Amino acid sequence: EAQVTQNPRYLITVTGKKLTVTCSQNMNHEYMSWYRQDPGLGLRQIYYSMNVEVTDKGDVPEGYKVSRKEKRNFPLILESPSPNQTSLYFCASSLGLADLASTDTQYFGPGTRLTVL
Amino acid sequence: AQSVTQLDSHVSVSEGTPVLLRCNYSSSYSPSLFWYVQHPNKGLQLLLKYTSAATLVKGINGFEAEFKKSETSFHLTKPSAHMSDAAEYFCVGGGTDKLIFGTGTRLQVFP
Repeated sequence: EAQVTQNPRYLITVTGKKLTVTCSQNMNHEYMSWYRQDPGLGLRQIYYSMNVEVTDKGDVPEGYKVSRKEKRNFPLILESPSPNQTSLYFCASSLGLADLASTDTQYFGPGTRLTVL
Repeated sequence: AQSVTQLDSHVSVSEGTPVLLRCNYSSSYSPSLFWYVQHPNKGLQLLLKYTSAATLVKGINGFEAEFKKSETSFHLTKPSAHMSDAAEYFCVGGGTDKLIFGTGTRLQVFP
């Protein structure tokens, strides 16, 4: 089954304790992206990756890191989490052809609900 | 700059009545536009997308949307609401390298 998986689905942590949220897709997609969803703000892009070893900042990258060493995986790293990073996080992937996000359907993972105390 | 505005944060309808979720966009070029749905505790699922092939776009579960360039709108409609349609709906614009999300409309369906 074609899917995007995220782990963990729920996480409660404390300020400053490094954490990683994993994202994996089995569709051989080139484009992957991380979003955070906050009430009244919709989804905002954190980072995206056009292909292996190619990453770029989205709209709200501060406090986050990503890596793309393999095509299927795109982990999100919070080196020193803070309470304002409490949010619902979504990973997404798409084919990543020439027109990319302008026409591609993005496939979303189920979300990771993060609480930073 | 491209932007997407969802005009209602909440919409309530009775089961069996029509649904209208409104979305306006601004773009300096012909946009790609999507509607995604998010059911509680789930990820986002594509309902339909417009990519200039046809102005009336039919999606899954009986939803459709019409692209109106003169009104810069891409409203989502359904003739008859079902209880299972209760969810949050996002209008999304396609940029050159990313998607631009509206803030969402929560649809409630009453029996």
